[in-house]
Amino acid sequence: DTGVSQNPRHKITKRGQNVTFRCDPISEHNRLYWYRQTLGQGPEFLTYFQNEAQLEKSRLLSDRFSAERPKGSFSTLEIQRTEQGDSAMYLCASSSALAGTDTQYFGPGTRLTVL
Amino acid sequence: QKEVEQNSGPLSVPEGAIASLNCTYSDRGSQSFFWYRQYSGKSPELIMFIYSNGDKEDGRFTAQLNKASQYVSLLIRDSQPSDSATYLCAVTGANNLFFGTGTRLTVIP
Repeated sequence: DTGVSQNPRHKITKRGQNVTFRCDPISEHNRLYWYRQTLGQGPEFLTYFQNEAQLEKSRLLSDRFSAERPKGSFSTLEIQRTEQGDSAMYLCASSSALAGTDTQYFGPGTRLTVL
Repeated sequence: QKEVEQNSGPLSVPEGAIASLNCTYSDRGSQSFFWYRQYSGKSPELIMFIYSNGDKEDGRFTAQLNKASQYVSLLIRDSQPSDSATYLCAVTGANNLFFGTGTRLTVIP
């Protein structure tokens, strides 16, 4: 068990470009979460998957954002037509429904910079 | 919208002292509470969780929960310079965590 992994770790893009991030959760975890964190703030929830089903989306997740978890394993988060306001750390976390407290473990994050 | 409030700090304590970090939350229905440590430029790292009123100890860390007062705290005993970080309080929602803005702790050698 190597923990949650995310790729890429850093992404610099120009405004208007599309970007895609990947998250690989802890192998036995069936729940996966995406958060966004900007400087000086705590992480803000974006979306949640249980297995392959996307069960909740925050209103922060505009129509330019889409997330998938096609086989209930890894997940991707795509941002279309990026804007400078999308610059942030994008964090993925996973947890197990079998563990009573649903403790979430975070990956290292992907830092996005939109120029 | 659930609210989680933390004093942003910075909180400075000398090495070896006890650091006390506090958090209040708005939703009385919240069930579980978490403390994460975040070093600059890194992702949050779980320190402890607590879901019953009272104290929970793990090494130098003690989490305290008072649901009647909607208050959760983290005590760090024998603070070390390596404890210098931002500490995030998180409260469970239906399918996610709600985070405070974090308290920056500096342990002075």
